[in-house]
Amino acid sequence: GAGVSQSPSNKVTEKGKDVELRCDPISGHTALYWYRQSLGQGLEFLIYFQGNSAPDKSGLPSDRFSAERTGGSVSTLTIQRTQQEDSAVYLCASSSQPGTANTGELFFGEGSRLTVL
Amino acid sequence: AQSVTQLGSHVSVSEGALVLLRCNYSSSVPPYLFWYVQYPNQGLQLLLKYTSAATLVKGINGFEAEFKKSETSFHLTKPSAHMSDAAEYFCAVSSYTGNQFYFGTGTSLTVIP
Repeated sequence: GAGVSQSPSNKVTEKGKDVELRCDPISGHTALYWYRQSLGQGLEFLIYFQGNSAPDKSGLPSDRFSAERTGGSVSTLTIQRTQQEDSAVYLCASSSQPGTANTGELFFGEGSRLTVL
Repeated sequence: AQSVTQLGSHVSVSEGALVLLRCNYSSSVPPYLFWYVQYPNQGLQLLLKYTSAATLVKGINGFEAEFKKSETSFHLTKPSAHMSDAAEYFCAVSSYTGNQFYFGTGTSLTVIP
């Protein structure tokens, strides 16, 4: 597609429910990133994919969080047994030039706003 | 370890005044540095990036930033603020391998008419 697409744009759920957030990166971008943006906070790194593998999962806050990427394209971030502190905007970004001397930029989606009641 | 610090979570300027948003980085290797802007209810978009070429980098919408190694700074400036510049601005640093990006906590810019 023309840009990074995320869905849903807004999600309201009850505490304890599972949620899935989807990211469709720019076609051909091999690197995909998930960040979390909480109110008044910066961007918290969650996970990075290179192709379908995740070399860096260090930012996932707990084992309730998981992510996968299939076909080197779409990624899904899953949060199990959601808690109120999971409420945030989840941003996805993709990049075409990871790991090279001429580092590329990140292209961001508009985010998925998650509210846990 | 790499990190960035943005001084001032909120900055207010009058329309037409100079905009100065501060960013200091910490990096053990030569970094790549970025400024991103986020308008309300939108994702982040790139304003400009430094990748070890010219130390003065020009970006979109009249913004520019200067890389100063001696001060470990990469401050963002614009000579004359416009109402449309009101947004959240994020400084970021990436590693030489380019596979990890670290963001500051952001600076919210308000432009007063």
